[in-house]
Amino acid sequence: GAGVSQSPSNKVTEKGKDVELRCDPISGHTALYWYRQSLGQGLEFLIYFQGNSAPDKSGLPSDRFSAERTGGSVSTLTIQRTQQEDSAVYLCASSLATSGIYTDTQYFGPGTRLTVL
Amino acid sequence: AQRVTQPEKLLSVFKGAPVELKCNYSYSGSPELFWYVQYSRQRLQLLLRHISRESIKGFTADLNKGETSFHLKKPFAQEEDSAMYYCALSGAGGFKTIFGAGTRLFVKA
Repeated sequence: GAGVSQSPSNKVTEKGKDVELRCDPISGHTALYWYRQSLGQGLEFLIYFQGNSAPDKSGLPSDRFSAERTGGSVSTLTIQRTQQEDSAVYLCASSLATSGIYTDTQYFGPGTRLTVL
Repeated sequence: AQRVTQPEKLLSVFKGAPVELKCNYSYSGSPELFWYVQYSRQRLQLLLRHISRESIKGFTADLNKGETSFHLKKPFAQEEDSAMYYCALSGAGGFKTIFGAGTRLFVKA
């Protein structure tokens, strides 16, 4: 079946502009995650959504970052007033999140490469 | 606080040599540990998890709670093992997952 998809695959923007990154999770997956992948920094947790629960936003680096998930499916990560240090690959992942005992496997999208000039 | 440390950014070994990618963690509760791998031009994917206690592509990893480690090992490295490896941690049954900085494994012919 279809995996996690993300759009756009590449985004080049000017400093100070707002950007929106989109994630389509695997159908039926109730948990959705956003990560930032920077050179030398590994994967940085940003936010996750689980069903109708309040999202865990503890990883968002500043109030310029926000994310929403509409209808329990598609998610959008918004970065306002982009800065050059926001340049990175933004990864989305989803998981079934059914057991409650064990953490479910996360399935990753291809990422969006954001370049802020 | 949750923390995952991968001390080696780059590990280079010859084909057929043993390989060990180190991972140490810090977590006050009951942890779940994972290894994810990203091959060139492919998506990040799960390699193995400690609760499965299985060998995937010849790799194994044992959770050592005393040493708070979850090192990834393979007795005989292959060229196709060249990739970026990430160690990850979450609370048992939890969702928030913390990844290490990653180790790039390069297997030379």
